[in-house]
Amino acid sequence: NAGVMQNPRHLVRRRGQEARLRCSPMKGHSHVYWYRQLPEEGLKFMVYLQKENIIDESGMPKERFSAEFPKEGPSILRIQQVVRGDSAAYFCASSRGLTNEQYFGPGTRLTVT
Amino acid sequence: TQLLEQSPQFLSIQEGENLTVYCNSSSVFSSLQWYRQEPGEGPVLLVTVVTGGEVKKLKRLTFQFGDARKDSSLHITAAQPGDTGLYLCAGASAAGNKLTFGGGTRVLVKP
Repeated sequence: NAGVMQNPRHLVRRRGQEARLRCSPMKGHSHVYWYRQLPEEGLKFMVYLQKENIIDESGMPKERFSAEFPKEGPSILRIQQVVRGDSAAYFCASSRGLTNEQYFGPGTRLTVT
Repeated sequence: TQLLEQSPQFLSIQEGENLTVYCNSSSVFSSLQWYRQEPGEGPVLLVTVVTGGEVKKLKRLTFQFGDARKDSSLHITAAQPGDTGLYLCAGASAAGNKLTFGGGTRVLVKP
């Protein structure tokens, strides 16, 4: 049973470009969460989604960041017009239900040059 | 805002010694999860504790959840170099939809 998959594992973007991060949850999991780990900081919650719905985006920056989890395909975290401060590791987690344990993917390391 | 404080931030011990990592908060969590993270990888779930006072054992690792569900500890007996890593505690909100992570404890077990 494959775990949570994220791609790409590493992404380099110049300032002003767009970054798209993909996450495929574990089989049977319909809840997806995105977290960000800035250098030398802990993991911070960004957004929680179920299929076709954003349930809680209280941790997401108001501008340039968006997330979706379409009916078909992976969840996408999109960052427009990236800045150096967006450089971080972005982790996706999934769970079977709302109160079930969250399992994390290997992360996407975004570097903005 | 719920906060989780982990202590110590860094722990270096010799193989065979015991260690304890603490996770404290002023807030109550519906459950608390412990993860271990290797460099360049995502956190790997070790255990979930739900009931106040609960104790769970995973081989040489013992996890305890405080009676008031505000704090937790991880104790490793006879540590081995393979136990080296970043240990993270994370509290689940009442709604269960987000985890609040502690800052982590970096453990180094020297052979």
